[in-house]
Amino acid sequence: KAGVTQTPRYLIKTRGQQVTLSCSPISGHRSVSWYQQTPGQGLQFLFEYFSETQRNKGNFPGRFSGRQFSNSRSEMNVSTLELGDSALYLCASSRSSGPSYEQYFGPGTRLTVT
Amino acid sequence: QQQVKQSPQSLIVQKGGISIINCAYENTAFDYFPWYQQFPGKGPALLIAIRPDVSEKKEGRFTISFNKSAKQFSLHIMDSQPGDSATYFCAAASAGGTSYGKLTFGQGTILTVHP
Repeated sequence: KAGVTQTPRYLIKTRGQQVTLSCSPISGHRSVSWYQQTPGQGLQFLFEYFSETQRNKGNFPGRFSGRQFSNSRSEMNVSTLELGDSALYLCASSRSSGPSYEQYFGPGTRLTVT
Repeated sequence: QQQVKQSPQSLIVQKGGISIINCAYENTAFDYFPWYQQFPGKGPALLIAIRPDVSEKKEGRFTISFNKSAKQFSLHIMDSQPGDSATYFCAAASAGGTSYGKLTFGQGTILTVHP
Protein backbone atom coordinates (compact mmCIF):
# COMPACT_ATOMS: atom_id res chain seq x y z
CA LYS A 1 0.00 0.00 0.00
CA ALA A 2 1.43 3.39 -0.98
CA GLY A 3 2.26 5.76 1.82
CA VAL A 4 1.30 9.38 2.34
CA THR A 5 2.53 11.56 -0.49
CA GLN A 6 3.17 15.28 -0.34
CA THR A 7 3.86 17.70 -3.15
CA PRO A 8 5.95 19.61 -3.77
CA ARG A 9 8.83 18.33 -1.68
CA TYR A 10 10.70 21.62 -1.71
CA LEU A 11 9.50 25.15 -2.22
CA ILE A 12 11.12 28.56 -2.11
CA LYS A 13 8.86 31.58 -1.81
CA THR A 14 9.26 35.27 -1.19
CA ARG A 15 7.85 37.07 1.82
CA GLY A 16 4.31 38.26 1.12
CA GLN A 17 3.51 35.53 -1.38
CA GLN A 18 1.10 32.69 -0.77
CA VAL A 19 1.66 28.96 -1.10
CA THR A 20 -0.44 25.82 -1.46
CA LEU A 21 0.79 22.42 -0.33
CA SER A 22 -0.84 19.14 -1.24
CA CYS A 23 -1.24 15.85 0.60
CA SER A 24 -2.57 12.51 -0.62
CA PRO A 25 -3.39 10.15 2.24
CA ILE A 26 -2.98 6.40 2.35
CA SER A 27 -5.76 4.72 0.41
CA GLY A 28 -8.78 4.21 2.64
CA HIS A 29 -7.69 6.81 5.18
CA ARG A 30 -10.25 9.54 5.74
CA SER A 31 -8.51 11.80 8.25
CA VAL A 32 -5.67 14.15 7.39
CA SER A 33 -3.77 16.22 9.94
CA TRP A 34 -1.17 18.88 9.20
CA TYR A 35 1.85 19.77 11.32
CA GLN A 36 4.59 22.36 11.17
CA GLN A 37 8.08 21.28 12.19
CA THR A 38 10.78 23.81 13.06
CA PRO A 39 14.03 23.45 15.05
CA GLY A 40 12.81 25.92 17.65
CA GLN A 41 9.18 24.93 18.14
CA GLY A 42 9.34 21.27 17.20
CA LEU A 43 6.25 19.59 15.80
CA GLN A 44 3.12 21.67 16.14
CA PHE A 45 -0.41 20.75 15.12
CA LEU A 46 -2.01 22.95 12.49
CA PHE A 47 -5.40 21.37 11.76
CA GLU A 48 -7.24 18.13 11.06
CA TYR A 49 -9.77 17.28 8.40
CA PHE A 50 -12.18 14.40 8.30
CA SER A 51 -14.82 13.85 5.64
CA GLU A 52 -14.13 17.29 4.15
CA THR A 53 -14.73 19.02 7.48
CA GLN A 54 -12.18 20.75 9.67
CA ARG A 55 -12.56 19.08 13.04
CA ASN A 56 -9.73 20.71 14.93
CA LYS A 57 -7.38 23.66 14.60
CA GLY A 58 -4.13 24.52 16.35
CA ASN A 59 -2.89 27.88 17.52
CA PHE A 60 -1.85 29.35 14.22
CA PRO A 61 -2.95 32.64 12.64
CA GLY A 62 -5.72 32.77 10.08
CA ARG A 63 -3.12 32.97 7.31
CA PHE A 64 -2.94 29.21 7.61
CA SER A 65 -5.91 27.43 6.11
CA GLY A 66 -6.73 24.10 4.59
CA ARG A 67 -9.35 21.99 2.96
CA GLN A 68 -10.11 18.40 2.17
CA PHE A 69 -11.65 16.99 -0.95
CA SER A 70 -14.14 14.17 -1.38
CA ASN A 71 -11.31 11.75 -2.22
CA SER A 72 -9.68 12.64 1.16
CA ARG A 73 -6.81 14.52 -0.48
CA SER A 74 -6.00 17.68 1.39
CA GLU A 75 -4.38 21.01 0.71
CA MET A 76 -3.08 23.65 3.04
CA ASN A 77 -2.58 27.27 2.13
CA VAL A 78 -0.44 29.92 3.72
CA SER A 79 -1.10 33.49 2.65
CA THR A 80 1.11 36.55 3.09
CA LEU A 81 4.17 34.46 3.87
CA GLU A 82 6.52 35.56 6.63
CA LEU A 83 10.13 34.56 7.18
CA GLY A 84 9.05 32.62 10.25
CA ASP A 85 6.87 30.37 8.12
CA SER A 86 10.00 28.62 6.86
CA ALA A 87 9.55 25.07 8.08
CA LEU A 88 8.91 21.46 7.18
CA TYR A 89 5.19 20.97 6.70
CA LEU A 90 4.04 17.45 7.38
CA CYS A 91 0.75 15.81 6.77
CA ALA A 92 -0.39 12.63 8.43
CA SER A 93 -3.27 10.36 7.56
CA SER A 94 -5.26 7.92 9.63
CA ARG A 95 -8.18 5.60 8.98
CA SER A 96 -10.57 7.67 11.01
CA SER A 97 -10.52 10.42 13.54
CA GLY A 98 -9.55 9.84 17.14
CA PRO A 99 -6.53 8.85 19.16
CA SER A 100 -6.93 5.12 18.69
CA TYR A 101 -6.12 5.50 15.04
CA GLU A 102 -2.45 5.64 14.19
CA GLN A 103 -1.23 8.63 12.21
CA TYR A 104 1.15 7.96 9.36
CA PHE A 105 3.27 10.84 8.15
CA GLY A 106 4.36 11.84 4.68
CA PRO A 107 7.90 13.01 3.85
CA GLY A 108 6.94 16.65 4.21
CA THR A 109 7.26 19.79 2.14
CA ARG A 110 10.27 21.94 2.97
CA LEU A 111 9.19 25.57 2.63
CA THR A 112 11.79 28.30 2.60
CA VAL A 113 10.63 31.91 2.72
CA THR A 114 13.16 34.53 1.63
CA GLN B 1 2.28 25.54 27.12
CA GLN B 2 4.41 22.46 26.70
CA GLN B 3 2.18 19.57 27.62
CA VAL B 4 4.68 16.80 26.88
CA LYS B 5 8.22 17.10 28.19
CA GLN B 6 10.87 14.82 26.71
CA SER B 7 14.35 14.04 27.95
CA PRO B 8 17.20 13.85 27.27
CA GLN B 9 17.64 16.19 24.31
CA SER B 10 20.47 14.02 23.03
CA LEU B 11 21.75 10.58 23.84
CA ILE B 12 24.88 8.69 22.87
CA VAL B 13 24.91 4.92 23.27
CA GLN B 14 27.34 2.21 22.28
CA LYS B 15 26.25 -0.51 19.91
CA GLY B 16 24.48 -3.24 21.83
CA GLY B 17 23.54 -0.95 24.69
CA ILE B 18 20.12 0.13 25.92
CA SER B 19 18.74 3.52 24.91
CA ILE B 20 16.17 5.05 27.26
CA ILE B 21 14.10 8.13 26.46
CA ASN B 22 11.62 9.57 28.91
CA CYS B 23 8.48 11.66 28.55
CA ALA B 24 6.17 13.28 31.07
CA TYR B 25 2.75 14.72 30.39
CA GLU B 26 0.42 17.06 32.20
CA ASN B 27 -2.97 16.56 30.61
CA THR B 28 -4.73 13.68 32.37
CA ALA B 29 -7.14 13.43 29.42
CA PHE B 30 -4.36 11.98 27.25
CA ASP B 31 -5.08 8.34 26.51
CA TYR B 32 -2.90 7.45 23.56
CA PHE B 33 0.89 7.62 23.59
CA PRO B 34 2.84 6.89 20.39
CA TRP B 35 6.54 7.10 19.68
CA TYR B 36 7.90 8.23 16.35
CA GLN B 37 11.31 7.85 14.73
CA GLN B 38 12.55 10.43 12.26
CA PHE B 39 15.57 10.22 9.99
CA PRO B 40 16.99 13.35 8.33
CA GLY B 41 14.96 14.36 5.30
CA LYS B 42 12.10 12.01 6.19
CA GLY B 43 8.78 12.33 7.93
CA PRO B 44 8.27 10.78 11.37
CA ALA B 45 7.55 7.04 11.29
CA LEU B 46 5.31 5.42 13.88
CA LEU B 47 7.34 2.99 15.99
CA ILE B 48 5.07 1.80 18.77
CA ALA B 49 2.13 3.12 20.76
CA ILE B 50 0.47 2.38 24.08
CA ARG B 51 -2.87 3.03 25.79
CA PRO B 52 -3.10 3.64 29.57
CA ASP B 53 -4.77 0.30 30.26
CA VAL B 54 -1.41 -1.48 30.03
CA SER B 55 1.88 -0.70 31.77
CA GLU B 56 4.20 -2.07 29.13
CA LYS B 57 4.19 -2.92 25.44
CA LYS B 58 6.98 -4.59 23.53
CA GLU B 59 7.57 -4.83 19.81
CA GLY B 60 10.87 -6.37 18.83
CA ARG B 61 13.69 -4.36 20.38
CA PHE B 62 11.37 -1.48 21.30
CA THR B 63 9.47 -1.34 24.60
CA ILE B 64 7.19 1.34 26.00
CA SER B 65 6.85 1.53 29.78
CA PHE B 66 3.89 3.53 31.08
CA ASN B 67 3.31 4.87 34.59
CA LYS B 68 -0.16 6.39 34.76
CA SER B 69 0.09 7.65 38.36
CA ALA B 70 3.36 9.46 37.63
CA LYS B 71 2.11 10.62 34.22
CA GLN B 72 5.28 9.35 32.62
CA PHE B 73 6.17 6.99 29.81
CA SER B 74 9.43 5.88 28.32
CA LEU B 75 10.91 4.19 25.29
CA HIS B 76 13.55 1.52 25.72
CA ILE B 77 15.58 0.39 22.72
CA MET B 78 17.36 -2.86 23.48
CA ASP B 79 20.54 -3.94 21.68
CA SER B 80 20.84 -0.49 20.09
CA GLN B 81 22.29 -0.46 16.57
CA PRO B 82 23.95 2.30 14.51
CA GLY B 83 20.90 2.16 12.23
CA ASP B 84 18.79 3.30 15.18
CA SER B 85 20.55 6.67 15.10
CA ALA B 86 17.71 9.10 14.52
CA THR B 87 15.52 11.62 16.30
CA TYR B 88 12.80 10.12 18.48
CA PHE B 89 9.61 11.89 19.43
CA CYS B 90 7.08 10.94 22.04
CA ALA B 91 3.54 12.17 21.60
CA ALA B 92 0.18 12.10 23.30
CA ALA B 93 -3.44 12.47 22.28
CA SER B 94 -6.87 12.42 23.84
CA ALA B 95 -10.22 11.28 22.56
CA GLY B 96 -12.76 13.45 20.84
CA GLY B 97 -13.98 16.92 21.54
CA THR B 98 -11.48 19.53 20.45
CA SER B 99 -8.71 16.98 20.27
CA TYR B 100 -9.56 15.21 17.04
CA GLY B 101 -6.51 14.26 15.05
CA LYS B 102 -4.15 16.21 17.27
CA LEU B 103 -0.91 14.74 18.49
CA THR B 104 1.01 16.78 21.06
CA PHE B 105 4.71 16.07 20.63
CA GLY B 106 7.70 16.19 22.91
CA GLN B 107 10.71 18.20 21.78
CA GLY B 108 12.60 15.17 20.48
CA THR B 109 15.72 13.21 21.41
CA ILE B 110 18.65 12.88 19.03
CA LEU B 111 19.99 9.36 19.46
CA THR B 112 23.47 8.45 18.26
CA VAL B 113 24.58 4.83 18.45
CA HIS B 114 28.32 4.39 18.07
CA PRO B 115 29.56 1.20 16.40
